[in-house]
Amino acid sequence: EAQVTQNPRYLITVTGKKLTVTCSQNMNHEYMSWYRQDPGLGLRQIYYSMNVEVTDKGDVPEGYKVSRKEKRNFPLILESPSPNQTSLYFCASSFKGQGVPPYEQYFGPGTRLTVT
Amino acid sequence: QKEVEQDPGPLSVPEGAIVSLNCTYSNSAFQYFMWYRQYSRKGPELLMYTYSSGNKEDGRFTAQVDKSSKYISLFIRDSQPSDSATYLCAMRDPGTSGTYKYIFGTGTRLKVLA
Repeated sequence: EAQVTQNPRYLITVTGKKLTVTCSQNMNHEYMSWYRQDPGLGLRQIYYSMNVEVTDKGDVPEGYKVSRKEKRNFPLILESPSPNQTSLYFCASSFKGQGVPPYEQYFGPGTRLTVT
Repeated sequence: QKEVEQDPGPLSVPEGAIVSLNCTYSNSAFQYFMWYRQYSRKGPELLMYTYSSGNKEDGRFTAQVDKSSKYISLFIRDSQPSDSATYLCAMRDPGTSGTYKYIFGTGTRLKVLA
């Protein structure tokens, strides 16, 4: 089954304790992305990756790190989480398709993170 | 000012009504205008996308783009309770370095009453 998986689905942590949210896709997609979703602010892109070893900042990258060492995986790292990073996080992937109509982004089920 | 503005709702309509959802945007460089549907506790799913100004129809859904006004709409005909969800508009920002990113609206929560 084609899917994007995220782990963990729920996480409660404390300020300053480094954490990683994993994202994996089995569709051989080049493009992968992380979003956070907050009430009143909608879905905002944190980082995205056009392919292995190619990453770029979205609109809200501060406090986050990513790496893309393998095509299927795109982990999101919070080196020193703070309460303002409490949010619902989504990973998404799609074929790259530059210059052609955008391929559908497939979203994972979401990770609800609470930082106290 | 946000790059993409979308009325958050909530919007409640009776079953069978025509629903109109709208977004405005400020960056004329945006290309490819998309509508995603998000059910409660799920990730968004792509409904439709359009590129040029005009209408695109898919079953009960019609997407409309007016690039001159920087305004996009999604119409839902004969709305059903199963259409109850949050609808997000999205646009692709082509950027300047060969990469591109996506900008989403805040989403409009729709409830269709049986």
